[in-house]
Amino acid sequence: GNSVTQMEGPVTLSEEAFLTINCTYTATGYPSLFWYVQYPGEGLQLLLKATKADDKGSNKGFEATYRKETTSFHLEKGSVQVSDSAVYFCALINNQGGKLIFGQGTELSVKP
Amino acid sequence: DTAVSQTPKYLVTQMGNDKSIKCEQNLGHDTMYWYKQDSKKFLKIMFSYNNKELIINETVPNRFSPKSPDKAHLNLHINSLELGDSAVYFCASSQDSGGNIQYFGAGTRLSVL
Repeated sequence: GNSVTQMEGPVTLSEEAFLTINCTYTATGYPSLFWYVQYPGEGLQLLLKATKADDKGSNKGFEATYRKETTSFHLEKGSVQVSDSAVYFCALINNQGGKLIFGQGTELSVKP
Repeated sequence: DTAVSQTPKYLVTQMGNDKSIKCEQNLGHDTMYWYKQDSKKFLKIMFSYNNKELIINETVPNRFSPKSPDKAHLNLHINSLELGDSAVYFCASSQDSGGNIQYFGAGTRLSVL
């Protein structure tokens, strides 16, 4: 079946540190991959996406590259800010009528 | 103007009661979804409707009944509430059933006592 695995949180960083949140997936075929972000008390927002192998999604300084050979879609940011504190979800859709399969979420806390 | 709005934001109720959560989207999208987020933040899809027709129905107890009176609304009715139903329920919508970009509401926090 389809599944997504993310690194466990919480992740605590100082402002301006480098961020990596690991995400790997299992899927048949060629899924589309997503990162969603959930700020405290809010719903999820799409952060970035990639629809085929070697595509790089980027937004707000975050980026992730669709790696088919390692079935990964790791999220990176060169310099995090306090305002990036949130829960980050890796997800995939695999031609199943819009059914998003989420990872378990990784909480990021950025300290000044 | 909120794109996907859910009401109520908080819902506290007793076991055995029946309750409804409403969702409306003003994006002109064809497809709407309900997701459940448990206490560990794990998100799982429950239902999806495309143009008022049910297209995804995960393994959800039949105490949960979605209703889509038109494509801009997808309501969730829950009968005989149980303690395990306590969670945050999110509504979402997408332009079509491919669901490539989904827009989420702010969530409804349901607490069953």
